[in-house]
Amino acid sequence: DAGVTQSPTHLIKTRGQQVTLRCSPKSGHDTVSWYQQALGQGPQFIFQYYEEEERQRGNFPDRFSGHQFPNYSSELNVNALLLGDSALYLCASSLVDYANTGELFFGEGSRLTVL
Amino acid sequence: GQQVMQIPQYQHVQEGEDFTTYCNSSTTLSNIQWYKQRPGGHPVFLIQLVKSGEVKKQKRLTFQFGEAKKNSSLHITATQTTDVGTYFCAPGRGQFYFGTGTSLTVIP
Repeated sequence: DAGVTQSPTHLIKTRGQQVTLRCSPKSGHDTVSWYQQALGQGPQFIFQYYEEEERQRGNFPDRFSGHQFPNYSSELNVNALLLGDSALYLCASSLVDYANTGELFFGEGSRLTVL
Repeated sequence: GQQVMQIPQYQHVQEGEDFTTYCNSSTTLSNIQWYKQRPGGHPVFLIQLVKSGEVKKQKRLTFQFGEAKKNSSLHITATQTTDVGTYFCAPGRGQFYFGTGTSLTVIP
């Protein structure tokens, strides 16, 4: 049973560029959440997707956008990259089932460096 | 969103000593989850607490949810080097927000 997979694992971009990160959720999960984790900080919630729609959004600018596909996989897009966007981007999947604990399963993350 | 503060931010202990981290909220929480993140790793779910005053144990780890459901704690008895990492609490359902985390260093 594959867990949450993310790609790429590492990437380097320059300011002003755009980046797309990808996530495949754990088998059977229908909800994908994205987090940004700066060095030494806790994960900061970006947004959550369910049924191909953005359900919740954290305090991130519109430069951060996402998408969920019919197979539940998801993409995170960041436009006009800033130096401050350098971070580990974590994808987490879960199951919308109120009999379930709703625990999040995280991928290994994509380490983005903006130069 | 629900915001929580964790204390302490950092903790260094000798191997074999106990460790406790506290998670405090200004509002009543519906539930709370705890995650552990090893250095260089990703957060891993430990447990969920739902009921007022709930206490759950996992081997050397004891988790508590306050009677008022505004605070929670994680206690580790006789720490081992494998306990190294950052412990986060995450309130509510959906876990949109994580606490500030407590980084634990265990000195052999």
